[in-house]
Amino acid sequence: GDSVTQMEGPVTLSEEAFLTINCTYTATGYPSLFWYVQYPGEGLQLLLKATKADDKGSNKGFEATYRKETTSFHLEKGSVQVSDSAVYFCALSHDSTLTFGKGTMLLVSP
Amino acid sequence: SAVISQKPSRDICQRGTSLTIQCQVDSQVTMMFWYRQQPGQSLTLIATANQGSEATYESGFVIDKFPISRPNLTFSTLTVSNMSPEDSSIYLCSVAVSGSTDTQYFGPGTRLTVL
Repeated sequence: GDSVTQMEGPVTLSEEAFLTINCTYTATGYPSLFWYVQYPGEGLQLLLKATKADDKGSNKGFEATYRKETTSFHLEKGSVQVSDSAVYFCALSHDSTLTFGKGTMLLVSP
Repeated sequence: SAVISQKPSRDICQRGTSLTIQCQVDSQVTMMFWYRQQPGQSLTLIATANQGSEATYESGFVIDKFPISRPNLTFSTLTVSNMSPEDSSIYLCSVAVSGSTDTQYFGPGTRLTVL
């Protein structure tokens, strides 16, 4: 079946550092790929998505590129802020079914 | 996208009781889903709420424990029945809109604590 693997956290960074959170997936066919973010005490927000190979999703300074050859969708941001502290979930959608990774907590200190 | 609200936002309940969670969307949506997020964990799909018919449950979830209603295209309820402390979780509804059913938008969640 479909699965998503993302790096374990927490990821601890200083403000303005470069962020990478790795995500790889296993799926048949051509799923859509997503990053969701969950701020403390809140629900999930869609951060970005990509629907086909080589698509780049971007939002709020975050980017991720759909790499079919490596089955990856790594999340990057050039300069993180304290307000980016949250849990980040990588997910794929296949036939309207979402499969989530386990989530990666990001902690950004001033 | 869609604006989704859930009620209640949080509750503390006694074991053996039931709680009904409401999910309201500001526009008609194609699909509605219910998820559980146990403390420190990822999301697990409970069921797909089908308008006007019985929900479609995932393995490990049953209608007697988690009855779901969806009377129209903008509203759904999830009941957590005969609760035990193991039911303490965040319960989230999500929706997918016509023309973009691969993308789900989530409500703010209901934080349930069972004593």
